[in-house]
Formats: sequence, C-alpha cells, structure tokens
Amino acid sequence: AQSVAQPEDQVNVAEGNPLTVKCTYSVSGNPYLFWYVQYPNRGLQFLLKYITGDNLVKGSYGFEAEFNKSQTSFHLKKPSALVSDSALYFCAVRGPNQAGTALIFGKGTTLSVSS
Amino acid sequence: DTAVSQTPKYLVTQMGNDKSIKCEQNLGHDTMYWYKQDSKKFLKIMFSYNNKELIINETVPNRFSPKSPDKAHLNLHINSLELGDSAVYFCASSQTGGALGEQFFGPGTRLTVL
Repeated sequence: AQSVAQPEDQVNVAEGNPLTVKCTYSVSGNPYLFWYVQYPNRGLQFLLKYITGDNLVKGSYGFEAEFNKSQTSFHLKKPSALVSDSALYFCAVRGPNQAGTALIFGKGTTLSVSS
Repeated sequence: DTAVSQTPKYLVTQMGNDKSIKCEQNLGHDTMYWYKQDSKKFLKIMFSYNNKELIINETVPNRFSPKSPDKAHLNLHINSLELGDSAVYFCASSQTGGALGEQFFGPGTRLTVL
C-alpha cells in the first residue's frame, strides 16, 4: 500500500530564512509524488510534482523539492521564506497512471513564517 | 474562469436530513473525485469517477451516493446526515495520461451537521 509520512505537525521559520518541510514515502513501484498547499478556508493548490527525471523539481511560488530514492524522501524547500508562505502543506503520492487513481495524502504540516 | 467549482460553499443542516453537494469542472478532464477533510485536516479519498464510471469507492457509508451525469459533473448526495459527517468536502478533477495527473481541487464545501 502506498503511504506518505510528514513527521512534523508544525514548522516555524523566520522570514528570509530557508525552509524545509519533510516528507517520506512508501510505495511499490515508481512513486508519483506531489506537494499541495492549503491556505485558510481555501481549497488545495498544486505546487509541484515528481514523476521521473531530475531529482530537483521546481514548482510554483519559488518552491522546490528534492526526490531522494535511497532515503525515500521528497522534502519541500524554499531558499527564502515569506510571511505569505504560512499555510498548511500536504505531501501526496499516487500509483501508476491508471484511470481514477486517487492521491494518498500525508497528515499535513503547518508552516508558520514570522516577520 | 473557475476550473473546479462546488456549491454550496457552506451547508448547515440538522441530523437526519438529506443534502446534496454539486461539483463542476471546465477543464475537460475525464476523472473526478470526492475527498473528505476532517476536523484534524486529514484528507481522504471517498470516490473517484472516470468517464462517468465509478472507479474508487472507499469504505464510505452507503448513505453517501455519488452521481456523475456527465464527465464535467460529479455530485454527492448524503442521506440521513449524522454528526460525524461534519467535515469539508473537496471535489477534484484530473486527466489520465498526458501530464500524469496532478489533481485540481475545488474550494470545498463545509458541511456542519447539528
């Protein structure tokens, strides 16, 4: 069974500092990995995905994620955090591209960026 | 130009009532989903439809019945509402093949059962 784990409930970082939100995965076969962000009282917005290729994936709003197969990790990163990055971040995994395959989400990590 | 829309945005109702939530996507996608987000923000798949055919039906009480009249619409009907049904329900859509399936989410429907 596919699963992802986000070991931190909350990450606190000062504005301008680099941020990392951690995610590890467990899948059979090739992982298709995603990061989504949820702002308060809003739906989920897609940030980036890893399907294959370069281990460093660049996404929206200056975010990037590094796929590490040996450590089964897909950590989300940003070189310089903004207060507006404060939100709930979800890592997700899905199986091979079969019709209707759903995303399996981690429990979410709340990112708080202080000014 | 909304991609995935849901109505209503808020739904407050009494236990035992029957209610429906509607979802529409204008992205031309062939697959639609319903997810439930509980009070702890945990997200879990409920149903998935591909080309109007039910593909995923997780262990959801049969009081929940999805219906897909066409590829652009997926509605969720809930009978005999219970307190534990209170949650935020998200509709999503994706396209199989091609860009390999990131899902686009609607704004959510916050259901409160009193």
